[in-house]
Amino acid sequence: GQQLNQSPQSMFIQEGEDVSMNCTSSSIFNTWLWYKQDPGEGPVLLIALYKAGELTSNGRLTAQFGITRKDSFLNISASIPSDVGIYFCAARNSGYSTLTFGKGTMLLVSP
Amino acid sequence: DADVTQTPRNRITKTGKRIMLECSQTKGHDRMYWYRQDPGLGLRLIYYSFDVKDINKGEISDGYSVSRQAQAKFSLSLESAIPNQTALYFCATSDGYSNQPQHFGDGTRLSIL
Repeated sequence: GQQLNQSPQSMFIQEGEDVSMNCTSSSIFNTWLWYKQDPGEGPVLLIALYKAGELTSNGRLTAQFGITRKDSFLNISASIPSDVGIYFCAARNSGYSTLTFGKGTMLLVSP
Repeated sequence: DADVTQTPRNRITKTGKRIMLECSQTKGHDRMYWYRQDPGLGLRLIYYSFDVKDINKGEISDGYSVSRQAQAKFSLSLESAIPNQTALYFCATSDGYSNQPQHFGDGTRLSIL
C-alpha cells in the first residue's frame, strides 16, 4: 500500500530555533496535510495543501506541496515551548479516498 | 462542547471481553472514521463510513467491527479483545461535500490485560 516516510522521528531543540521536517512517498498525492497532536488530545489540522508547488503559511508555520506531488515539508520558525507535540503529515489522492499518515515527528523544545 | 466526542476516554479490560467504543459528532459531517495509534506507528485506519448505509474496511480491520447508527454516531467494537489491541483509538469526521480535511476526537485509551 501507499506509505509516507516522515523524518526526522524526533527532534530536541532550544527555544527560538527553527525546525524543519518532511514527508516523502514513492506515490503521487493530490492533497497534503499537516497535523499536530498535543499530549492527551487528538490531532489538529495545521495546514492543508491542495496544489503542487503551493507554499502556505499559518503564523510561524510554513508548509510546501512538492512539485513532484511526492513530498511535502513543514517549517516552524522561532520555536516556543508550546510547539511541543507530535507532528503528522498525511496525504490523499482525491476527496473520495482516505488519508495515509506518516509515523510522526516528536518535537521537544527546551526553554 | 467538543465537536467530536469519544466515550469512554479510558478503559481497562480483560482478554476475551467484548468492548464498544462510541463516537458522536455535532459537526453535521457525513463521513466518519476510526483510527488506531500505536507509539512509532502513526495513525492506521480501521474502518470508515461515507454515509449511514456505507461501511468500509481500512488497513487493519481484523478483530474489529463497526456500526453507523445515525449520521452523527459511529461505534467501534472489539468482539473478543486481545492484549495487542491495547492502543489509543481516535474517531474522526469529514465533510465529503466540501472535501475538507478530517477533524479528530480526543481519543480513547484502551488497555487490555
